[in-house]
Amino acid sequence: RKEVEQDPGPFNVPEGATVAFNCTYSNSASQSFFWYRQDCRKEPKLLMSVYSSGNEDGRFTAQLNRASQYISLLIRDSKLSDSATYLCVVNKNAGNMLTFGGGTRLMVKP
Amino acid sequence: EPEVTQTPSHQVTQMGQEVILRCVPISNHLYFYWYRQILGQKVEFLVSFYNNEISEKSEIFDDQFSVERPDGSNFTLKIRSTKLEDSAMYFCASSNRANTEAFFGQGTRLTVV
Repeated sequence: RKEVEQDPGPFNVPEGATVAFNCTYSNSASQSFFWYRQDCRKEPKLLMSVYSSGNEDGRFTAQLNRASQYISLLIRDSKLSDSATYLCVVNKNAGNMLTFGGGTRLMVKP
Repeated sequence: EPEVTQTPSHQVTQMGQEVILRCVPISNHLYFYWYRQILGQKVEFLVSFYNNEISEKSEIFDDQFSVERPDGSNFTLKIRSTKLEDSAMYFCASSNRANTEAFFGQGTRLTVV
């Protein structure tokens, strides 16, 4: 089983749509969770951290289910500028190594 | 907004040559990292560095790789004898504390020919 697993997509959605991405992780000892976005041939940029209670930042909502080892990202009212690859990232222990999923590609169309 | 900067943005080198990739982490950060991403693949951890020593490294980070913080600002990755399969985007990252998010530089695209 992959350490961090994501559906690669692509998800093709119209502007204004709501889209949800899921991610599963294999190591139950994982402690920190993040969503990053990556534009083509650019660096990963932090979108948001994911907290146990769930958290929201504008149009973005992240959820964590530790029992199922599952993380989600919901994007409401999609914009053209949301088109990117969304990376699920896990810090699996007290160390500093981030483990990346393969990413889910989102394409928002006019 | 503070950012991680990397130089060069693109490096082409011949197989067997040594390369040094340079990074200036965010100034008040204490933890420094190198990651790489082969084209079309996921981002992979190479090494983390804290308090002037390596704190973690992956299986990829073999004896051909080394890291250094030669002064108070630069953080370098050296590949001693490059192979074709070292061709990738190399990202430097930094964070201000342990077990938290990291901030990435724009990357150095290394092409080994």
